[in-house]
Amino acid sequence: GAGVSQSPSNKVTEKGKDVELRCDPISGHTALYWYRQRLGQGLEFLIYFQGNSAPDKSGLPSDRFSAERTGESVSTLTIQRTQQEDSAVYLCASSSRLPVDEQFFGPGTRLTVL
Amino acid sequence: AQSVTQPDIHITVSEGASLELRCNYSYGATPYLFWYVQSPGQGLQLLLKYFSGDTLVQGIKGFEAEFKRSQSSFNLRKPSVHWSDAAEYFCAVGLYGSSNTGKLIFGQGTTLQVKP
Repeated sequence: GAGVSQSPSNKVTEKGKDVELRCDPISGHTALYWYRQRLGQGLEFLIYFQGNSAPDKSGLPSDRFSAERTGESVSTLTIQRTQQEDSAVYLCASSSRLPVDEQFFGPGTRLTVL
Repeated sequence: AQSVTQPDIHITVSEGASLELRCNYSYGATPYLFWYVQSPGQGLQLLLKYFSGDTLVQGIKGFEAEFKRSQSSFNLRKPSVHWSDAAEYFCAVGLYGSSNTGKLIFGQGTTLQVKP
């Protein structure tokens, strides 16, 4: 079956512009996560969605970052007024309803802010 | 605070040699531990996971890892490395429970280079 997909695969933008990154989770997966991977670094948790529960936004680095998810489907991560330090690969992952389960990762969106 | 440490940023081994990648974690509750591999241009792929039970877990591609609670470690091993194993390896701890959401805390990663 299809895995997690993300679009675009690459995004180059100018400082100060807004960007939207999209994630399509695996069908039937209720949990969805966003992570950020800066060059040469490990992944940092950003935000988590689980069904209709309130999202866990504890990892968002500033109020310029926001995310939405419609039901148990697509999620969009929005970065407003991008800064150069926002340059990174943004990874999305999904997992099933089980209390403890593996996360399946998408290929990521590489964001470059000039 | 929860954390994961991978002490080796970069490791080089010869093809056919054995491999051990180190991972130490700091977490007060029962740890759920993972090793992921990231090849150039590829997404993260799960190698293996430890949730409970046998502390020696087998994964894909001939990898195994041993959970040692007394040492707070979850080291990854492979008896004979192949050139295709060259990649970046990430250890992670999953935060579960009533107040946690299953988010993963990752180490900084270890880059594996394989010499012919």
